[in-house]
Parts: sequence; C-alpha cells; structure tokens
Amino acid sequence: NAGVMQNPRHLVRRRGQEARLRCSPMKGHSHVYWYRQLPEEGLKFMVYLQKENIIDESGMPKERFSAEFPKEGPSILRIQQVVRGDSAAYFCASSPPPPETQYFGPGTRLLVL
Amino acid sequence: AQKITQTQPGMFVQEKEAVTLDCTYDTSDQSYGLFWYKQPSSGEMIFLIYQGSYDEQNATEGRYSLNFQKARKSANLVISASQLGDSAMYFCAMRPLTSTASKLTFGTGTRLQVTL
Repeated sequence: NAGVMQNPRHLVRRRGQEARLRCSPMKGHSHVYWYRQLPEEGLKFMVYLQKENIIDESGMPKERFSAEFPKEGPSILRIQQVVRGDSAAYFCASSPPPPETQYFGPGTRLLVL
Repeated sequence: AQKITQTQPGMFVQEKEAVTLDCTYDTSDQSYGLFWYKQPSSGEMIFLIYQGSYDEQNATEGRYSLNFQKARKSANLVISASQLGDSAMYFCAMRPLTSTASKLTFGTGTRLQVTL
C-alpha cells in the first residue's frame, strides 16, 4: 500500500525558471493538500484540492503560484518565474474526505539559485 | 483563526526516559482535531497521534500518548521509554472538524535530542 508520492525529491532552478512539483495521493484518497516549509519553520498551508476542483487556496501567493488536481494523473504545484525566496520544502498530503487524517509525502526540496 | 504554540525550541532526554513536548492552542471552533507529526532529519512528515476535541479519553499509540487538557487548551505529547530513533523535530497541528475547513495549522516545532 504505497504512501503519498512526490517527485522530484530535490529540484534546483535558476531565478526566472518554472518549477513543477508532482504529488500522487495514497490509493483511495481523493483530497490533496499542499504545504510549504521554510527553513527552520513549521509547515504553512497553501492549497486544498479535490479532483478537478480547488476547494481552498487561501494560503497560495497571489502571483506565480498555481495548483491543479486533474481527473487523471497527479496533482501539480506550479511556480512560475521562481525567486530565491521560493526555496523551501513543499509537502503534499492526502486524505479520504475530511475530517480524516492527512498523510504526508516525503516532500520536494526546491532550491532557487 | 487557529493558532498553535510550541514554546520549547529544543529538548534533551536520556534514552529510556519519558519526555513531554508542550503544545497549546487557540481556536474559536467548537469541534477540532489535534495532531502530532514527527520530522526526522531525512525530512519526511510522519503522523504520530490524533485527539478529537470531543474525545473523553486521552489518545495513545504505542509509546506515544497525548495529554489533552481542554480547559487549558493544551495537547502535550508524551513519549515514553525514549529511543535514539526518536531524535527529530516534532510538530503539533490542529484543524477544525468540518468538511470545508480542512487545512492544518502547525506550530513551530520542538527539536528533540535523545542521548545515551
């Protein structure tokens, strides 16, 4: 029973490039959440998605960030024109319909040079 | 709005001893869940234990127990018989127990170091 999968595990981008982070939820989970962890800080909520729907994007920066969870395939967090401040660990979590427990993937460490 | 406070940036405990990691919370929700996650140096987030606000008994999972004091708004994690592998960051988190408000709010974490 595979857990939440995220890839890549590490991603290096130069300023101005695009970063695309993927998340495959646990089998049977149709709810996906993205969180960001800056160095030496706790996780901060970014966005909550169900298949083909964004339910809550209150934590997403207004510009450059977008997320989707298509009917087929993984959830994608896209960061356009990355800046150094985007360097962080990005975690995806999945769950059955809330309020069930969220289980986290291993994270993607993004480094912007 | 919800807020989690973890006042211990770092803790040391000797192997085989018990340790308590503090967590206090603030919320206006009547129904909520409290969670503890472990983040070892490898970076993943591991779910440890859950306590619902209406649960009358404190949650336990193996060597982990949650000391839930609703009136004091505290949800401390107790780790018994510490092991070297318990060395990690520990995060307390909470969320409302409604279907639409699903985001977890995390504290800043406590770094636990288990010594010989």
